[in-house]
Amino acid sequence: AQSVTQLGSHVSVSEGALVLLRCNYSSSVPPYLFWYVQYPNQGLQLLLKYTSAATLVKGINGFEAEFKKSETSFHLTKPSAHMSDAAEYFCAVTFSGGYNKLIFGAGTRLAVHP
Amino acid sequence: DADVTQTPRNRITKTGKRIMLECSQTKGHDRMYWYRQDPGLGLRLIYYSFDVKDINKGEISDGYSVSRQAQAKFSLSLESAIPNQTALYFCATSDSTGTYGYTFGSGTRLTVV
Repeated sequence: AQSVTQLGSHVSVSEGALVLLRCNYSSSVPPYLFWYVQYPNQGLQLLLKYTSAATLVKGINGFEAEFKKSETSFHLTKPSAHMSDAAEYFCAVTFSGGYNKLIFGAGTRLAVHP
Repeated sequence: DADVTQTPRNRITKTGKRIMLECSQTKGHDRMYWYRQDPGLGLRLIYYSFDVKDINKGEISDGYSVSRQAQAKFSLSLESAIPNQTALYFCATSDSTGTYGYTFGSGTRLTVV
């Protein structure tokens, strides 16, 4: 069965600092991995996705994530945080074929302070 | 127009009442999903449908039912609402592989008093 663990329910960084949001997955088959962002009072927006091509994936708003099979990780990073990055971030996993569904982690709320 | 539209956006209802949340999509996708979001729990799958005649329970289907009226429409019903069903509900759609990501609606915030 697939599962996702996001380490840290709340992360706080200073504006201009590195953003690192951690995601580890469990999957018995090759995974497809995603990061979504939810701004206050909005739905979920796809940030980026790993679909078995390049292991370093670039997304919108300067975010990127690296798929590391040996560590079963898919951490999200951004070199320099902006105030507008304050939101909740969700990591999710699925797999190819069958009755596949998107399984979400519990989410990490990112706060950016001046 | 949004790719996935949910109505209503907000709803307050009383315990024991039946309520329906509606979802329609213009993506032309076969697959549709209902999720529930609670603080600290992420999004949990309630029901999913891979086509009009294929409906499946997710991990938290108790107390909910669904109807797939057409390829584009997928509604969620709470037969007898209870306070612990107070949550943010999201509808989503995906292509037939389900591996390119889902498109989500803006959500319905439901409060059961």
